[in-house]
Amino acid sequence: GNSVTQMEGPVTLSEEAFLTINCTYTATGYPSLFWYVQYPGEGLQLLLKATKADDKGSNKGFEATYRKETTSFHLEKGSVQVSDSAVYFCVTNTGNQFYFGTGTSLTVIP
Amino acid sequence: KAGVTQTPRYLIKTRGQQVTLSCSPISGHRSVSWYQQTPGQGLQFLFEYFSETQRNKGNFPGRFSGRQFSNSRSEMNVSTLELGDSALYLCASSLGTDNQPQHFGDGTRLSIL
Repeated sequence: GNSVTQMEGPVTLSEEAFLTINCTYTATGYPSLFWYVQYPGEGLQLLLKATKADDKGSNKGFEATYRKETTSFHLEKGSVQVSDSAVYFCVTNTGNQFYFGTGTSLTVIP
Repeated sequence: KAGVTQTPRYLIKTRGQQVTLSCSPISGHRSVSWYQQTPGQGLQFLFEYFSETQRNKGNFPGRFSGRQFSNSRSEMNVSTLELGDSALYLCASSLGTDNQPQHFGDGTRLSIL
């Protein structure tokens, strides 16, 4: 069946540090891949997406590349800010069904 | 373009009662999904409606039900509330076709006393 495994949190980084949140998936067919972000007290917001192998999604300095050979979609940012503190979810979509990772909490300290 | 709107934002109920939550999707979106989010279980899929029909369903008991109207607005109902139903309930809408992302509302925070 389909599933998403993402890095356990919580993750604490200093401002301007490099961020990687690992995500791997299992899926039948060719899923679309997404990263969502949830700020405190809010719903989930789409951060970026990739719909086919080798696509790179990017937004707000975050990037993730669809790696079909390793079934991965790791999220990266070169220099995090305090405002990036949130929970990040890796998500796959196959046949209109969405599968969510457990979420990784990120705290960025000044 | 207005986003996904969920009402109410907060709700307090007691055990045994029933509750109805509402979700208005983004204009033009035909798919509406519901999720339950708790600290212990994370984000769990309840069900998805597309063009007034339930298209996908998660593993929740029959106390959890939903429906979708012809204007794509959706409601979720929980009957015989239990303490464990306390959670943030999130609604998400999408065009409902492959590769299209979901757009989430801010959720309804349900507390059971």
